[in-house]
Amino acid sequence: DQQVKQNSPSLSVQEGRISILNCDYTNSMFDYFLWYKKYPAEGPTFLISISSIKDKNEDGRFTVFLNKSAKHLSLHIVPSQPGDSAVYFCAALNNAGGTSYGKLTFGQGTILTVHP
Amino acid sequence: NAGVTQTPKFQVLKTGQSMTLQCAQDMNHEYMSWYRQDPGMGLRLIHYSVGAGITDQGEVPNGYNVSRSTTEDFPLRLLSAAPSQTSVYFCASSLNRYGGGSPLHFGNGTRLTVT
Repeated sequence: DQQVKQNSPSLSVQEGRISILNCDYTNSMFDYFLWYKKYPAEGPTFLISISSIKDKNEDGRFTVFLNKSAKHLSLHIVPSQPGDSAVYFCAALNNAGGTSYGKLTFGQGTILTVHP
Repeated sequence: NAGVTQTPKFQVLKTGQSMTLQCAQDMNHEYMSWYRQDPGMGLRLIHYSVGAGITDQGEVPNGYNVSRSTTEDFPLRLLSAAPSQTSVYFCASSLNRYGGGSPLHFGNGTRLTVT
């Protein structure tokens, strides 16, 4: 039972264009969402997050959008750069009033390739 | 700060062997956890700890043991390795136990093959 799904295994984008990575979830108890980026032979690194009380969070070139009614979130990268080429994981958390103990549920990941 | 350090980087085991994957963090983080990454499955939580002496099971705990005797260390023990445990294992920590406002910091992983 995959509660967090990234249905696109890969995405290819030209440098300078927008990259849009999508993520769907089924558990309506999730109230905090995060994106992690992973390079080969390294561990994931935190990129950006959003609480369910917001519908948008921006950090430089990265923006995360949350549509709670559709149970859908997306990560926009503008402009895309070759160094953004990596695997991107979305993750969700049921914060449960502060008792979730950081138990993240991850999606399968999307491989982003940005071509020069 | 070294962050989260995992050893070894690679390991090959025969079915039935046991081993311990080491994880240490030097950030005085309260929360530590182990994930495994398998193709098409994302990362799945094996075990976690919210402080020294406190551990609990995650989504896929069978075949693994953990203990947390110090804040810094959180080893993962495979009791009797099986081919289904072939995976990449990541240790992670965060400053506080709640995760939402305190993102996980991951180690660089241990690639384990069980033949």
